[in-house]
Amino acid sequence: GNSVTQMEGPVTLSEEAFLTINCTYTATGYPSLFWYVQYPGEGLQLLLKATKADDKGSNKGFEATYRKETTSFHLEKGSVQVSDSAVYFCALSSAGGTSYGKLTFGQGTILTVHP
Amino acid sequence: KAGVTQTPRYLIKTRGQQVTLSCSPISGHRSVSWYQQTPGQGLQFLFEYFSETQRNKGNFPGRFSGRQFSNSRSEMNVSTLELGDSALYLCASSRSTDTQYFGPGTRLTVL
Repeated sequence: GNSVTQMEGPVTLSEEAFLTINCTYTATGYPSLFWYVQYPGEGLQLLLKATKADDKGSNKGFEATYRKETTSFHLEKGSVQVSDSAVYFCALSSAGGTSYGKLTFGQGTILTVHP
Repeated sequence: KAGVTQTPRYLIKTRGQQVTLSCSPISGHRSVSWYQQTPGQGLQFLFEYFSETQRNKGNFPGRFSGRQFSNSRSEMNVSTLELGDSALYLCASSRSTDTQYFGPGTRLTVL
């Protein structure tokens, strides 16, 4: 079945540092890939997505490129801010069959950014 | 456009009781998915409804059930609550099979 593996956390950075959160996946076919962010006490917010190989998703300075050859979708940001402190989830969805409406999530990575 | 709404936001129940959670999707979205989030198991898929039909179901016991109404609003029910059912329950809506948008969740505590 489908699975998503994220880098172990938590990640602690100073403001303006470079961020990378690794995500690799296992899936049949051609899944869509997502990054969601969760702030304390809230639900998940879509951060970015990519639906086919070599697509780059981007939003609010965050980027991730769908790499089919390495089955990866690593999240990057050039300069983090204190307000980026949150939990980040990598997820995938497949089309049809037993995958209808189902996102498969990684375990989440806690990011803390210090001033 | 209004986002996904979930009610209630917080619930406290005791073991053996049952509970019903509600989810109103984004206008025009016909698919609603439900997830359970716990510190130990992370985010796990419960089920998905589209046009009042359950299209997919995760690996949860029969105590967890759901339904969807003609206006796409959805409810999930948990009967005979157990301590381990304490979790954040999230619903998400989408037009069909594309991007899911999440609500704020219902925090259920079972005592």
